[in-house]
Amino acid sequence: AQSVTQLGSHVSVSEGALVLLRCNYSSSVPPYLFWYVQYPNQGLQLLLKYTTGATLVKGINGFEAEFKKSETSFHLTKPSAHMSDAAEYFCAVRGAGAGSYQLTFGKGTKLSVIP
Amino acid sequence: EAGVAQSPRYKIIEKRQSVAFWCNPISGHATLYWYQQILGQGPKLLIQFQNNGVVDDSQLPKDRFSAERLKGVDSTLKIQPAKLEDSAVYLCASSLERSSGSYVYEQYFGPGTRLTVT
Repeated sequence: AQSVTQLGSHVSVSEGALVLLRCNYSSSVPPYLFWYVQYPNQGLQLLLKYTTGATLVKGINGFEAEFKKSETSFHLTKPSAHMSDAAEYFCAVRGAGAGSYQLTFGKGTKLSVIP
Repeated sequence: EAGVAQSPRYKIIEKRQSVAFWCNPISGHATLYWYQQILGQGPKLLIQFQNNGVVDDSQLPKDRFSAERLKGVDSTLKIQPAKLEDSAVYLCASSLERSSGSYVYEQYFGPGTRLTVT
């Protein structure tokens, strides 16, 4: 069984400030981990993913995340927030077994960027 | 490349009525998913198809929900009869995943259908 916990349903940052969105996961098998972004009235768009290899993963729009197995975490960061980053962000986990393509999502964190 | 298409975008129905949603995945994508996203929550998988076969429907309320993917391309999701708690956004996604593959392919999401049951 897999689960995802996103700390903070709503995060506000000033434009230019560091963005940190927290994600902790639970998985009985080595996980694949994902961050998706959802803009209003749109579907989800993949920001980045961790499968194997390097634990620091870089994604689109300047976002990155670090897989920390010991902490079961996969926090999303961006050094400098832009107004266009305002959206809802979802962390998701998937088991590494063949055929188990199901993504289990967290409840999401809504990011507000203050000018 | 065209993305995942869904229709309608919005639907309002009364409880106990029926409704159907349509999804056309990205061309060539073998796997198709239907997710339910209730307000304030992350998407929850309802059903996963591999070509035209069902791989996982363990979270589909089969007493009222049904889905099909004829010819392994587009898909329809039906609710009959609808309940108030079915109000949600229904997201369709597709990916290149194949049962024998080990590469982790991205799931591409459509814009969703927002269902309101009154």
